[in-house]
Amino acid sequence: DAGVIQSPRHEVTEMGQEVTLRCKLISGHNSLFWYRQTMMRGLELLIYFNNNVPIDDSGMPEDRFSAKMPNASFSTLKIQPSEPRDSAVYFCASTRTGRDGYTFGSGTRLTVV
Amino acid sequence: QQPVQSPQAVILREGEDAVINCSSSKALYSVHWYRQKHGEAPVFLMILLKGGEQKGHEKISASFNEKKQQSSLYLTASQLSYSGTYFCGTEAGTALIFGKGTTLSVSS
Repeated sequence: DAGVIQSPRHEVTEMGQEVTLRCKLISGHNSLFWYRQTMMRGLELLIYFNNNVPIDDSGMPEDRFSAKMPNASFSTLKIQPSEPRDSAVYFCASTRTGRDGYTFGSGTRLTVV
Repeated sequence: QQPVQSPQAVILREGEDAVINCSSSKALYSVHWYRQKHGEAPVFLMILLKGGEQKGHEKISASFNEKKQQSSLYLTASQLSYSGTYFCGTEAGTALIFGKGTTLSVSS
């Protein structure tokens, strides 16, 4: 089992550019979560999917953020246009039942300059 | 509603014990505990379900009092490898909401 795979590991982009973060779930997991981590706010839930359907996107900061789950094993988080305050580490996590705990990917460190 | 963790930081020598607390203002279905080492992803330690049960993981155990909406993580005879940031995650019918973390530093 390769675990939850995120790409890229690091992304540096200029303000105003579009950024796409990618996440591959563990096979058999049916819930997918996107979190953002900063020193000030800690781990913030952005959005989560269950069986490919978005369940709660109340944590998405604004319309510049969008997330999709086109199939059971893959998700993307897009920021367009990006701003310096979006700089953070973005984690995706997945679980089969929730009672098994969440498995986190290695994260994408995003820097917007 | 984000759970509140205390203390924010703990400094220990090897072999010492520590307790990390997590409290919520909402009724909880479960509490998760995770450890994150610097530059790495959070790693699941254990889950506590309704019923006040105490669970153990090596020398790390936890309790959950759903009436008080509180959980505590107990680290016994700490080792250098226990260093990191510990997060509680609370579930109230939706995805986990994490506290801001407690940084544990263990030195020899």
